[in-house]
Amino acid sequence: QKEVEQDPGPLSVPEGAIVSLNCTYSNSAFQYFMWYRQYSRKGPELLMYTYSSGNKEDGRFTAQVDKSSKYISLFIRDSQPSDSATYLCAMRASSGGYQKVTFGTGTKLQVIP
Amino acid sequence: GAVVSQHPSWVICKSGTSVKIECRSLDFQATTMFWYRQFPKQSLMLMATSNEGSKATYEQGVEKDKFLINHASLTLSTLTVTSAHPEDSSFYICSALQGLAGKYEQYFGPGTRLTVT
Repeated sequence: QKEVEQDPGPLSVPEGAIVSLNCTYSNSAFQYFMWYRQYSRKGPELLMYTYSSGNKEDGRFTAQVDKSSKYISLFIRDSQPSDSATYLCAMRASSGGYQKVTFGTGTKLQVIP
Repeated sequence: GAVVSQHPSWVICKSGTSVKIECRSLDFQATTMFWYRQFPKQSLMLMATSNEGSKATYEQGVEKDKFLINHASLTLSTLTVTSAHPEDSSFYICSALQGLAGKYEQYFGPGTRLTVT
């Protein structure tokens, strides 16, 4: 079993739709949860960063972490064609210093005008 | 936000030759940098952790003699793919770790696409 599972998609939605992207994980030591956006042939760009459980909102993006279920989500409201990209969830533990990040496989999102 | 650059952005080389990829943190110092490889439709796979002034730590299954890493300064790490073969063709991405007041952020470079013919 992979430490982090993410549906690779592709996910195709019409412009303006609400998008829900999800990951599950198995390592209960993970404390930091990130979402990265990666455009084609580019490096990942950090979108959201959450510590432990709860919600975090930034503009059209909301990140949710449910540690009891080992489940994280990223919601995109009023999706735009420019949101078309691959979204990677990532997470790491916290036990003194910096622990290496484990990535999901990424979900490819296409927002159709 | 912090900026990480990579050079070259793409490179084509012949089988058996070596290729060097540079990773620079442009506006911060990074004692730790990471090298990842990403195959099409797959996630980022960590190859090695590069620490300034010391030997890199390689992940299981990554040949350290094939993928030479040098982190000679706080802003530069290099990855050299030696005796490249077509199966080494991939997207190589570096990231640099910025630590401020006990908080850490990992910033990624734009990636280098390597094609070995």
